[in-house]
Amino acid sequence: EIVLTQSPGTLSLSPGERATLSCRASQYISSTYLAWYQQKPGQAPRLLIYGASSRATGVPARFSGSGSETDFILTISRLEPEDFAVYYCQHYGTSPPIFTFGPGTKVDIK
Amino acid sequence: QVGLQESGPGLLKPSQTLSLTCTVSGASISTGTYFWGWIRQAAGNGLEWVGRIWTSGDPDYNPSLKSRVRILVDTSKSQFSLRLTSVTAADTAVYYCARGHWGMFESWGQGTLVTVSS
Repeated sequence: EIVLTQSPGTLSLSPGERATLSCRASQYISSTYLAWYQQKPGQAPRLLIYGASSRATGVPARFSGSGSETDFILTISRLEPEDFAVYYCQHYGTSPPIFTFGPGTKVDIK
Repeated sequence: QVGLQESGPGLLKPSQTLSLTCTVSGASISTGTYFWGWIRQAAGNGLEWVGRIWTSGDPDYNPSLKSRVRILVDTSKSQFSLRLTSVTAADTAVYYCARGHWGMFESWGQGTLVTVSS
């Protein structure tokens, strides 16, 4: 069973700063099946990144994903006020099919 | 643009069966490249995958819930449903339905709160 660990748990930053969020898998995973989501209070999650580095439709270019094997990064180059939210990474395992979410990183205003 | 809307009872008693329906609009539920899933989120907690179904194949379930969960699809109504038996307070959560592609959930419903309480 693959476990995803996200760090830090909370990231306190100011608008305009760069945010770097980490997602670590307990064993090797295919980057093809690593996604990132943004969730704001009272809202459903929103897909940001899939395949570790591809932006979903309509996602601003300030969001980027990278990484491979067990270590993956979500970077927000310059935080906008609307970016303060919780971010989850998610992995899809194919055999057997199972979706696993990380515990989330909260990005809040410093 | 696809729309997903959850519906169903918001309050259950322990041991009852949770039944939710997700109505899909703006896209065909029969499109073979997509799957349809349920994800839940307990208050203040993270996201937990419940299960998913392809319109042309068997469902897949979270192993931790497999003995209690069933997901069905009704293409004639453009709906898919979730049944979770023998609920307890631990099943209290916001339940989201979503459309998936490859290994991710690309479109989500707004979510519906289900509370289990005596």
